[in-house]
Amino acid sequence: DAEITQSPRHKITETGRQVTLACHQTWNHNNMFWYRQDLGHGLRLIHYSYGVQDTNKGEVSDGYSVSRSNTEDLPLTLESAASSQTSVYFCASSFGTSSSYEQYFGPGTRLTVT
Amino acid sequence: GESVGLHLPTLSVQEGDNSIINCAYSNSASDYFIWYKQESGKGPQFIIDIRSNMDKRQGQRVTVLLNKTVKHLSLQIAATQPGDSAVYFCAELSSPARQLTFGSGTQLTVLP
Repeated sequence: DAEITQSPRHKITETGRQVTLACHQTWNHNNMFWYRQDLGHGLRLIHYSYGVQDTNKGEVSDGYSVSRSNTEDLPLTLESAASSQTSVYFCASSFGTSSSYEQYFGPGTRLTVT
Repeated sequence: GESVGLHLPTLSVQEGDNSIINCAYSNSASDYFIWYKQESGKGPQFIIDIRSNMDKRQGQRVTVLLNKTVKHLSLQIAATQPGDSAVYFCAELSSPARQLTFGSGTQLTVLP
């Protein structure tokens, strides 16, 4: 069955370190998204991609970067982790056609920056 | 800026009763709305969607109502079950970005 996976599921890192969170989907979706979820803020969009080599900044992109070298993967990199980036991170994907904008979410990665 | 919000952050209902979760949106240009369910420790899961050219859409035990006049969206769950306990998010899709904007969520607790 097609799915979307994230790794690692839990990560503890120190301030200043570079961290990369992986996201892999097997639906062959063109669109992929990264969100962070914090209490009181719901899901906030970090970066998104509409296809290979395409990346765009979302609402809270500062301190994060992504790259899209193939359809299946959109890794999220924290260049220099900060305590404010402690959060739960969700990856999502969608076809994004006019018939459906439904996004399919991964299980999440809980990141703690100490 | 434009935002999606929820009227009630928490809702407790008795098992077997109907639940109504409300959502207000402020962007009149939004033309597509989705409800997601998120169980503890999991990613959000699609429940039902509705386009702005519709007022009502029904799924299995769920109904979404859209009132564009007052920019209000609601999710009705019939015969609420313990497995319905979760956080429910509404999300809107608006032009020109065509991005989903999520509300902050409502925690639904089903009481035995």
